[in-house]
Amino acid sequence: EIVLTQSPGTLSLSPGESATLSCRASQSLYPNYLSWYQQKPGQAPRLLIYGAFNRATGIPDRFSGSGSGTDFTLTISRLEPEDIAVYYCQQYGSSSGTFGQGTKVEIK
Amino acid sequence: QITLKESGPTLVKPSQTLTLTCTFSGFSLTTSHVGVGWIRQPPGKTLEWLALVYWDDDKRYSPSLNSRLTITKDTSKNQVVLTMTNMDPVDTATYYCVYRVWLGAPTSGGYGLDAWGQGTTVIVSS
Repeated sequence: EIVLTQSPGTLSLSPGESATLSCRASQSLYPNYLSWYQQKPGQAPRLLIYGAFNRATGIPDRFSGSGSGTDFTLTISRLEPEDIAVYYCQQYGSSSGTFGQGTKVEIK
Repeated sequence: QITLKESGPTLVKPSQTLTLTCTFSGFSLTTSHVGVGWIRQPPGKTLEWLALVYWDDDKRYSPSLNSRLTITKDTSKNQVVLTMTNMDPVDTATYYCVYRVWLGAPTSGGYGLDAWGQGTTVIVSS
């Protein structure tokens, strides 16, 4: 089973700064199968990025995804208070899917 | 608009079998490459992928829970049912129903869990 390791565990930044979230896989992934989700407190997760770098419908262009192989990145530019959330990467390969442990983004 | 809603018991005793139903609208589970699955989240912890059923009735399960899970679909009712046997307190979690679909272009797109239910809380306790 593919393991996804996200770092850092928590990111504390000021409004307007950029956040860089990392997701590392235990083996190489097809980019098509790597996605990112945002979960705000008390809510279900929401799809942000699919296929490693494609924004889902309605997602602001402040959110961008990149990466290949085993290393993927979610970047949030111009951080806003509404971006306070936990962000998860997810892969679906072979026959099952796994999530990373999440990165919590806090606003200073 | 795609919606999914989970239903089932809130409280389950240890060793019992849990049955959860996902009732969805806005899409058909007969459409190619569409799938409906289940994901859970214990309190304060990360998400855990459980099972998925595809439009063609292909089914995939978490390797670690495979022996305890069964997923079925009823396309006439727009429902997907998940059963989990031998429940234990560690199975206490919020259980989400999700809609999985291929998004974007055939080569540069990707799979995404494009819609989620609100989640249903399941507590396992005697």
